Amino acid sequence: RKEVEQDPGPFNVPEGATVAFNCTYSNSASQSFFWYRQDCRKEPKLLMSVYSSGNEDGRFTAQLNRASQYISLLIRDSKLSDSATYLCVVKVYTGNQFYFGTGTSLTVIP
Amino acid sequence: EAGVAQSPRYKIIEKRQSVAFWCNPISGHATLYWYQQILGQGPKLLIQFQNNGVVDDSQLPKDRFSAERLKGVDSTLKIQPAKLEDSAVYLCASSLDGASAYFGPGTRLLVL
Repeated sequence: RKEVEQDPGPFNVPEGATVAFNCTYSNSASQSFFWYRQDCRKEPKLLMSVYSSGNEDGRFTAQLNRASQYISLLIRDSKLSDSATYLCVVKVYTGNQFYFGTGTSLTVIP
Repeated sequence: EAGVAQSPRYKIIEKRQSVAFWCNPISGHATLYWYQQILGQGPKLLIQFQNNGVVDDSQLPKDRFSAERLKGVDSTLKIQPAKLEDSAVYLCASSLDGASAYFGPGTRLLVL
């Protein structure tokens, strides 16, 4: 069973739309959670950490449900520049390993 | 602050040849990771170092892959002999206290 599962998409949405990505993780010992963004042919870059109480950064909102082992990312008012692959990442404290999902591809259409 | 440096950026080799990749992490980052990212997939952890010691190499194909971080700073990843299925991007990342991981630009390997 994979450590992190994501719907690969692709998601094609018009500018201004709201889109949500979901992710589940299998290891209940997972302690830290992140969303990374990866542009085509570039390296992954940290988008935001995900906190238990949920957190927001501008148009981006991340949620964590530990009971269901579920993480989400909501993007409001999508921009063309949001087009990228969004990677769900969990970290297990026992060894500080970061486990990545397969990524969800988003294309924002004019 | 300088980011994670990797070289070469691109490499094309024939199967059964050997290849080596180099990584210099962010200064002061004790933890260094090598990931393999195959097209259309997420990064897969190959090996993790804490200073010059290996923390996790459970997913490293040890019959052909090796890695070292002798002085606890920069690291090399070697493949010998390469197979077609090794074609991928090899990403190096580093972390300070495990807070989050910062990636280098990667080495894009094509095995013919």
